[in-house]
Amino acid sequence: AQTVTQSQPEMSVQEAETVTLSCTYDTSESDYYLFWYKQPPSRQMILVIRQEAYKQQNATENRFSVNFQKAAKSFSLKISDSQLGDAAMYFCAYRSGGYQKVTFGTGTKLQVIP
Amino acid sequence: EAQVTQNPRYLITVTGKKLTVTCSQNMNHEYMSWYRQDPGLGLRQIYYSMNVEVTDKGDVPEGYKVSRKEKRNFPLILESPSPNQTSLYFCASSLRKTGMNTEAFFGQGTRLTVV
Repeated sequence: AQTVTQSQPEMSVQEAETVTLSCTYDTSESDYYLFWYKQPPSRQMILVIRQEAYKQQNATENRFSVNFQKAAKSFSLKISDSQLGDAAMYFCAYRSGGYQKVTFGTGTKLQVIP
Repeated sequence: EAQVTQNPRYLITVTGKKLTVTCSQNMNHEYMSWYRQDPGLGLRQIYYSMNVEVTDKGDVPEGYKVSRKEKRNFPLILESPSPNQTSLYFCASSLRKTGMNTEAFFGQGTRLTVV
């Protein structure tokens, strides 16, 4: 079974600075997808960024980018120019290419300090 | 607007009183699933459905039932709720097609408290 590990329960960053959230996963598959979801206090789950395992290029969405290291099974999220609205719980998630089940990490709570 | 709708958003109930949390999506998605979110445990899958009349257990199915009689609806049923089922519940849907980078769309969550 696939597992997803987020080793940082909480992180903090100064407004306008950069922060990196860590995620590692364990799988024997070669075809899979990785996601970062943001959960603000409203509890809504919002997709931040996604990465296909077969793509070597790291995904980027505005201030959000990932560092995907397939051999190391690492999928970290970098948030640049942090804003107060980035404060939330962030979940790393894994989905098999041949199956729709999504496995989530335990989450990292990000605090943004003004 | 594409969305997944859960009801109710908040529910307080007593032990043993049957309840149903509804979930409906308007995106014609085949795949639907239920998760529960607990502090320090992330989201864990309860049940999922690949299509109408096709359901299967996730990682934590004990104490829950589901049905999929229509493509758009996937209700979660707690026949005899217990306090350990106090949690935040999410319904999610996605396209079934594999090999595609399809994301899951989530409902807004249901905060359930069983006393």
